[in-house]
Amino acid sequence: NAGVTQTPKFQVLKTGQSMTLQCAQDMNHEYMSWYRQDPGMGLRLIHYSVGAGITDQGEVPNGYNVSRSTTEDFPLRLLSAAPSQTSVYFCASSQDRGLITEAFFGQGTRLTVV
Amino acid sequence: SQQGEEDPQALSIQEGENATMNCSYKTSINNLQWYRQNSGRGLVHLILIRSNEREKHSGRLRVTLDTSKKSSSLLITASRAADTASYFCATDMYSGGGADGLTFGKGTHLIIQP
Repeated sequence: NAGVTQTPKFQVLKTGQSMTLQCAQDMNHEYMSWYRQDPGMGLRLIHYSVGAGITDQGEVPNGYNVSRSTTEDFPLRLLSAAPSQTSVYFCASSQDRGLITEAFFGQGTRLTVV
Repeated sequence: SQQGEEDPQALSIQEGENATMNCSYKTSINNLQWYRQNSGRGLVHLILIRSNEREKHSGRLRVTLDTSKKSSSLLITASRAADTASYFCATDMYSGGGADGLTFGKGTHLIIQP
């Protein structure tokens, strides 16, 4: 089973460039989310979606956009990359919004903004 | 803001010994989860304990939850080199309409010495 797949695994961007981090899951999960992980900070929620067509902001949404046109895909867009967005990004999915079940994480995208 | 805080931040023990790490949180929860992250990889769910449970076991893992103290502990018995990883506790976070996502602590980095 593929689970949650993130692409790319590594990316270097110049300040001001835009890009899309891809996330796909094959478990028919309604709930999907994006986190960023910075050294010494743990994971912080960027955006989440409770189903196709529904998205909402998490703890640190500024500088990021998301959309959810299908159940399977939840891309994260960086509008104008800044060095402060250098981080490791994780996509996660779980069965329902209640989060009473486990979350499945992708392998991460390591992004460096220079 | 982060809810959970793991303690200690780092722990180094000999193979075969038991490892205990603790998590404290600030607000009421519905459930608490523990995740493992191997270096450079995504998070893997280990165990979930609900707020009405006090203790839960899964293989070599034992989790306790004390809602009066707002704390949880993860015990790994008979540690192995493969247990070397970072361990995170995560709690659900809400802002009115249902769960928004998980809030993570900064993690405990566990090193098992052969």
